[in-house]
Amino acid sequence: SQQGEEDPQALSIQEGENATMNCSYKTSINNLQWYRQNSGRGLVHLILIRSNEREKHSGRLRVTLDTSKKSSSLLITASRAADTASYFCATAWGIYGNKLVFGAGTILRVKS
Amino acid sequence: DTEVTQTPKHLVMGMTNKKSLKCEQHMGHRAMYWYKQKAKKPPELMFVYSYEKLSINESVPSRFSPECPNSSLLNLHLHALQPEDSALYLCASSQDHRGAGTDTQYFGPGTRLTVL
Repeated sequence: SQQGEEDPQALSIQEGENATMNCSYKTSINNLQWYRQNSGRGLVHLILIRSNEREKHSGRLRVTLDTSKKSSSLLITASRAADTASYFCATAWGIYGNKLVFGAGTILRVKS
Repeated sequence: DTEVTQTPKHLVMGMTNKKSLKCEQHMGHRAMYWYKQKAKKPPELMFVYSYEKLSINESVPSRFSPECPNSSLLNLHLHALQPEDSALYLCASSQDHRGAGTDTQYFGPGTRLTVL
């Protein structure tokens, strides 16, 4: 299976702290994306990093990609209670790069 | 408008029922997707439509039948489901850049399906 693994499975931090989540995958990819899901509802796209990129920023989010290690990390800085959610990495592959395979996810809880 | 809508929000059906899930987007996207998500698990891809043609079927049982009447609408017809099919069904859409490696998928809120 090309499904990635994520760690940690769960993370509990205080508001204002940074949160780091890691994702590993098994096959070559077109891109890697991170999504957030609140309370079992729809997923919200956070950031996409292409296979030829190494780092990308969006607001308080920083994503890195190491294709040699087949791994990515998501850093959320200065966390807020509203960041409490499940976070999934997803690798895109297939002939058109639109086939997403999601990792197991990290449950983040930010305590105020 | 960056919204994908799904109806109904909740659905309870018996194993002999026939029902349909609906999904709509008005972002001009040409790719649409169905995912299934069991509790505490990641979403799993079921079907992909690209330019209104079925391009990916992830070996989904025939009791799930997708339909794409036009570029804005996606249906999932359900028939003779099993209790283990109970899950959150998510629809998504994307522009479909055909391999440019930049497609972002926008997800709807999902339909929570319970099969009795």
